[in-house]
Amino acid sequence: EIVLTQSPTTMAASPGEKVTLTCRASSSVSYMHWYQQKSGASPKLWIYDTSNRASGVPNRFSGSGSGTSYSLTISSMETEDAATYYCQQWSSNPFTFGSGTKLEIK
Amino acid sequence: EVQLVESGGGLVQPGRSLKFSCAASGFTFSDYAMAWVRQAPKKGLEWVATIIYDGSSTYYRDSVKGRFTISRDNAKSTLYLQMDSLRSEDTATYYCARLMYTTDYPYFDYWGQGVMVTVSS
Repeated sequence: EIVLTQSPTTMAASPGEKVTLTCRASSSVSYMHWYQQKSGASPKLWIYDTSNRASGVPNRFSGSGSGTSYSLTISSMETEDAATYYCQQWSSNPFTFGSGTKLEIK
Repeated sequence: EVQLVESGGGLVQPGRSLKFSCAASGFTFSDYAMAWVRQAPKKGLEWVATIIYDGSSTYYRDSVKGRFTISRDNAKSTLYLQMDSLRSEDTATYYCARLMYTTDYPYFDYWGQGVMVTVSS
């Protein structure tokens, strides 16, 4: 099973600040996907196939990476971006998710 | 508009069974693989099971193999999860999710609102 390790576990950012969330895989994966989950709500697809924004996702969000290291970047933090972000892979069974990064507004 | 609406769930004793469903609308249900993903209280996401578009193949995480059964009724656009021999560690919110493939490496592009299952005596 491929283990995904997200860092940091929790962080706070000020409005306008650049934010980078990291997801490291225990073995190489071909693509990484990201989800946003706000408190009490269902997860939403946020970034798919490593670097594609899902429908409705603001263009301040971007994804990148390859092999065992992937990242999600917010170019300029906004209040509405406060949420938990999860990475997910399926390069080999089973599907696995990272444990999440909780992003708070400072 | 794609909608996934779960129903069922609730409080159940350890060792008992529970079955819940997910009604899909807004897309051709029979064209898509579907999955269940769960989230224990205050914890992260965990994939549970997948069923391909026509129901002919199913996949499970090891901890639920032999206890859970994923199934679908394409005529009713409905996904099911039958859970037997429930354990306290199965306590979670269960989400129905649609699988999307833009490459050979799928992801979950739509999620239901979730149904809470509590396993406790």
